[in-house]
Amino acid sequence: KAGVTQTPRYLIKTRGQQVTLSCSPISGHRSVSWYQQTPGQGLQFLFEYFSETQRNKGNFPGRFSGRQFSNSRSEMNVSTLELGDSALYLCASSQDTQETQYFGPGTRLLVL
Amino acid sequence: DAKTTQPTSMDCAEGRAANLPCNHSTISGNEYVYWYRQIHSQGPQYIIHGLKNNETNEMASLIITEDRKSSTLILPHATLRDTAVYYCIVRPFQTGANNLFFGTGTRLTVIP
Repeated sequence: KAGVTQTPRYLIKTRGQQVTLSCSPISGHRSVSWYQQTPGQGLQFLFEYFSETQRNKGNFPGRFSGRQFSNSRSEMNVSTLELGDSALYLCASSQDTQETQYFGPGTRLLVL
Repeated sequence: DAKTTQPTSMDCAEGRAANLPCNHSTISGNEYVYWYRQIHSQGPQYIIHGLKNNETNEMASLIITEDRKSSTLILPHATLRDTAVYYCIVRPFQTGANNLFFGTGTRLTVIP
C-alpha cells in the first residue's frame, strides 16, 4: 500500500496570507490527524478527523482549521499567517481512532 | 502532556544493540506504550507498541517491565541509518483519544 502523502512538500508564504495543506491517508484509513512541529514546541497535536467529523482538537487558535472529505482525504487551513506558524506540518492516518497512526513526510511551511 | 521520561541523547556503536529506556511510572491500565522515531525532520516512523507483554517485530523489540512503569526499546544490530530521535509515547486505548503526545525523545547517534 502507498503511504500517507502530503502536498505540497514545501511552501513559502508571507504574513497575513492563508495556506491550505493537503493529506491523502493510506487506503482504507478513515482517521486523519494533524500535527505541528517547531524547534521550540516540538510535535503538537492540532486536530483529528474521522468520517468527515472533527473528533478531537488541540490547543491552537481558531486560525487553524481543517476538514475531511468523503474519500478520507483531509485539508488543513491556516488563515492570517504569522511568523510563528513556520513549522513542519505532519499528517497521520489510522484505520480507526484507536489504531496505530502512520505519518506522512510533512509539509514544511515558511512564513516571511 | 507527555507522560514519559527519556534520556536526552545516547550513542551506540554500529553493529551493537541499542537499548533505549523510557520511564512511564504513571501509566494506566488501558494505556499502551508506543515507539516512533524521526530521522532528520522526516515524518515520524512507527516502530512498535505494546500493552504489557514483550513485543518483537522486524525493526525492534519492546521490553515492558512487569509493573509497566518502564520499558526498553531494543534495536538488535544498530546501523548508521538508525540515527534518529526516538519517541516513547503512552497512549490510552479509547475512542476519541487519537492524539499522540510527543515529548522531547532520545537522540540516538550510531557511531561507525
